Formats: sequence, C-alpha cells, structure tokens
Amino acid sequence: ILNVEQSPQSLHVQEGDSTNFTCSFPSSNFYALHWYRWETAKSPEALFVMTLNGDEKKKGRISATLNTKEGYSYLYIKGSQPEDSATYLCAFPHDAGNKLTFGGGTRVLVKP
Amino acid sequence: DAGVTQSPTHLIKTRGQQVTLRCSPKSGHDTVSWYQQALGQGPQFIFQYYEEEERQRGNFPDRFSGHQFPNYSSELNVNALLLGDSALYLCVRRTVTYEQYFGPGTRLTVT
Repeated sequence: ILNVEQSPQSLHVQEGDSTNFTCSFPSSNFYALHWYRWETAKSPEALFVMTLNGDEKKKGRISATLNTKEGYSYLYIKGSQPEDSATYLCAFPHDAGNKLTFGGGTRVLVKP
Repeated sequence: DAGVTQSPTHLIKTRGQQVTLRCSPKSGHDTVSWYQQALGQGPQFIFQYYEEEERQRGNFPDRFSGHQFPNYSSELNVNALLLGDSALYLCVRRTVTYEQYFGPGTRLTVT
C-alpha cells in the first residue's frame, strides 16, 4: 500500500497572500506526480504532471516543485485570489500512468 | 472539456439494493478507471478497464464489479449496498499519452 500524504488538510488564506502546501510520496519506484485542482461541483482539473527531480512547473500564479529523492512536492499559490479556493490533490501513479494513489487533499479557502 | 460524462449525477438508494453507474469517455481506445471518494478523503482506486477487460483492481470487495463496452463506455455496479458505500464515484479516462481526465462524478447516497 502506497502512502501519499498531503498537509495541511485545510488552509485559510487572506486574498493577496501567498501560500504553499506539501505532498509527500514514496521516493522509490517513482514515475510521476500529478497535481489536480478540484473546485466544488466541478471535475478535478489537471494542473501539472511532474516527472523529473528538481522539476519546477508554473501555470499562472500556481507553481510546483518536485524532490523525488526525498519524496515531496510543494504547490505554491502566489497572490491568492478567491477563485483559487478549491481542494488541491496530488496523485502518485503506481506505474507508467495507470492506477493513481491520491493524497487526502488540501482544501484552500481564500478570504476576500 | 475533460471529455468524460457520467450518469446519473445524483442517486439515492436503500441499503441492500443494487446500483449501476455509467461513464462515457469522449474518444475511444482509452483506459477507463473508477474511483470512490468518501467525504474528507482523497479518491480511492476501484478498478481499471481497457479493451473490455479489467486490468487492475484496488482493495474493494467483489460487490463492486464493472464492465466496459465495445464503444469504450463503462459501468460500475455495486451489489448489496451498505451505508458506507455513500460517496462520490469518479470515472477517469487515461489517454495513450498518459493524460488523465476526470468525469464530474456520481454522488451516491445510501440510506
């Protein structure tokens, strides 16, 4: 059983502030790490697929880093806006793109 | 557009009943996986279908079964429903380039 953990479980952020949160995963047999953003009443939306140690990806004000040797990834939100409020999920594939083990998610609430 | 539709959107069933949930990926020749997301938890892998065969299975009892049709659509069947089966059920299609797209989910409530 793979252990994928996210912390914190929830986060309240003031509009305009930056924030970050963590996903930890097994450091052996690494294929990739997926980040998803899940807004209430919508489908999870793929943010990033990270594959290389030291990888850093960016999409607008959201970015992510990856450390495969120590088994963690950070997701950063710069200058948080109310529309960033969502649950952010990381997922670890067991092999090349198949079965995903998800973390429990970090629920972000950005207050105006 | 994730290219995955699921039906129904919501469903209420009674303990002991059986339920069938449906998933239709937009394009063909994709792997289709089903996940269960209980309140406050991340999605848990149920099983995966490709070319009409179950390819991988998670830690779910035999009450959970599935099927994939020649048109790549898929069904998830749950027999003898328990209260603990109440959850959001997500269908995910994986393309040949390993991108994964989620459907909107079916919210199942067992009373």
